[in-house]
Amino acid sequence: AQSVTQPDIHITVSEGASLELRCNYSYGATPYLFWYVQSPGQGLQLLLKYFSGDTLVQGIKGFEAEFKRSQSSFNLRKPSVHWSDAAEYFCAVGTLRGNQFYFGTGTSLTVIP
Amino acid sequence: EAGVTQFPSHSVIEKGQTVTLRCDPISGHDNLYWYRRVMGKEIKFLLHFVKESKQDESGMPNNRFLAERTGGTYSTLKVQPAELEDSGVYFCASSQDWRVHVRNTEAFFGQGTRLTVV
Repeated sequence: AQSVTQPDIHITVSEGASLELRCNYSYGATPYLFWYVQSPGQGLQLLLKYFSGDTLVQGIKGFEAEFKRSQSSFNLRKPSVHWSDAAEYFCAVGTLRGNQFYFGTGTSLTVIP
Repeated sequence: EAGVTQFPSHSVIEKGQTVTLRCDPISGHDNLYWYRRVMGKEIKFLLHFVKESKQDESGMPNNRFLAERTGGTYSTLKVQPAELEDSGVYFCASSQDWRVHVRNTEAFFGQGTRLTVV
């Protein structure tokens, strides 16, 4: 069965610091992996996605994620965090059937000045 | 271009009452999905419409939940009667292609409806 684990419920970083949000997945085949972000009052927005090929994926807003099959991980990174990055981040895996996501429990990010 | 719109943004009802949530997808998107996030838990799939047809209802928790999409445009999700455990955030999403892993397809989500049952 597919599942996604985001071990960090809440992370606090200083503005300008680097960020890494962890995501581990359980999936029986080649995973289709996604990161979504929900800013306050907004809908979920797609940051980036991985299907195949290059394991380092670039997304919007300066984010990137690296797929590591050996570790079943798809961690999200950003070299320098901005105050506007404060939001909740969700990792997800797409199903073989293709019509739904399995999401993690989310990581809430606080950015301090 | 308007995004996915959900109404209301927040609803507080008493146990046993009925609540109807509405979702307006992006125009032209045949695929519409409902998801739910119970507090502190993951966002879980509820169901998937293709136009007006229910393609996949595997995530619907019980028969107190009824989803409709008349005419293949907007969708409603009715909870009747509501129970305390139904509290959470209900998300709607829409996409052109139903296969979320297709490169040029993106599922667009609304801001969610926060339902509180007291």
